[in-house]
Amino acid sequence: GQQLNQSPQSMFIQEGEDVSMNCTSSSIFNTWLWYKQDPGEGPVLLIALYKAGELTSNGRLTAQFGITRKDSFLNISASIPSDVGIYFCAGNNAGNMLTFGGGTRLMVKP
Amino acid sequence: GAVVSQHPSWVICKSGTSVKIECRSLDFQATTMFWYRQFPKQSLMLMATSNEGSKATYEQGVEKDKFLINHASLTLSTLTVTSAHPEDSSFYICSARHRGRSYEQYFGPGTRLTVT
Repeated sequence: GQQLNQSPQSMFIQEGEDVSMNCTSSSIFNTWLWYKQDPGEGPVLLIALYKAGELTSNGRLTAQFGITRKDSFLNISASIPSDVGIYFCAGNNAGNMLTFGGGTRLMVKP
Repeated sequence: GAVVSQHPSWVICKSGTSVKIECRSLDFQATTMFWYRQFPKQSLMLMATSNEGSKATYEQGVEKDKFLINHASLTLSTLTVTSAHPEDSSFYICSARHRGRSYEQYFGPGTRLTVT
């Protein structure tokens, strides 16, 4: 099915650095969700965004719902080793079906 | 709150046998549950959507007679892989849409299926 364009696909960062990833789409979404998946586990919901322009934080995580409703970004501040994993964005449309990005694999150098 | 469980967490079966995977929403009611398949290093692929008390809706290319889905209650959906083949080996993940927060889906921990 359709996927969102998520970038970067993977990244290495130094512990303590800030991280930024984003998703773009050619379609408008009503809701943007950000998930984190650890190896062998299911995705865990990190942040849900409901309104265009909305900026929401969850601890060291901050996400924004783009004004055009076609994009979203996720920032992680002061990264730590347990931030390692795959981060997925997902857009929810009027049909309430989730469309997923391809994922950003985050690897942290200790 | 919003916990989803899956059972079993992993299973090994022989070709030709059937395997049933359960998905339960533990602390909320879910009118809709979703079944996904995930290959290594790839994103989640939606297989089917199941609504409580009605037939599942399958995505294009997913064989409904092979992947039987039953959504018997507001807290339980099952996926049965029938006549399993090695190519069915994958990570199967369910999610449940919270009845009161319909834009949010909560995922189970996944089931690793290996068909020998």
